[in-house]
Amino acid sequence: NAGVMQNPRHLVRRRGQEARLRCSPMKGHSHVYWYRQLPEEGLKFMVYLQKENIIDESGMPKERFSAEFPKEGPSILRIQQVVRGDSAAYFCASSSLTVNTEAFFGQGTRLTVV
Amino acid sequence: AQSVTQLGSHVSVSEGALVLLRCNYSSSVPPYLFWYVQYPNQGLQLLLKYTSAATLVKGINGFEAEFKKSETSFHLTKPSAHMSDAAEYFCAVGSGGSNYKLTFGKGTLLTVNP
Repeated sequence: NAGVMQNPRHLVRRRGQEARLRCSPMKGHSHVYWYRQLPEEGLKFMVYLQKENIIDESGMPKERFSAEFPKEGPSILRIQQVVRGDSAAYFCASSSLTVNTEAFFGQGTRLTVV
Repeated sequence: AQSVTQLGSHVSVSEGALVLLRCNYSSSVPPYLFWYVQYPNQGLQLLLKYTSAATLVKGINGFEAEFKKSETSFHLTKPSAHMSDAAEYFCAVGSGGSNYKLTFGKGTLLTVNP
């Protein structure tokens, strides 16, 4: 059973470009969470999704950021018109339930905006 | 609202010495507490979690943590450090047994000297 798969592992974008980060949850997991880790900071919750639904996006910046988890395929975190402040590690986690189970984290995508 | 404070952004110990990483939390509801470890360029791995059962929790790799409600603490310890323990450690708090929307501390980088 493969773990949570994120790709790409490293992504470099110029200011103003779009960044697309992909996350395939563990098999059987229908809950996906995205976190952002800024340099020398802890992880900050961004969004929680189930298949085809955004459950909680309270941690998402109001502009330029969006997330989806379609019926088929991976979850996508999309950042439009990236700025240098978007440079961070973006982690995806998945779980089979939201309580009393472990959330498994992927290896992250390290986004660098130049 | 929940918050986590990890005292000491960097802890250095000698191989074989006691490891003590400090974590204090704030939560308006009974907390669920977690310790995660992050090796360089890796995702987060769950070390242990407290879910309102025994206050002394044993985890992987010889680590354990004790929940002290009166001190609002959940410090991580290991009797004898190994070189392979060198990593960054994150304390996190959730609520109601939920692994959803965890609040993470800023992390403590553990260095183990030979």
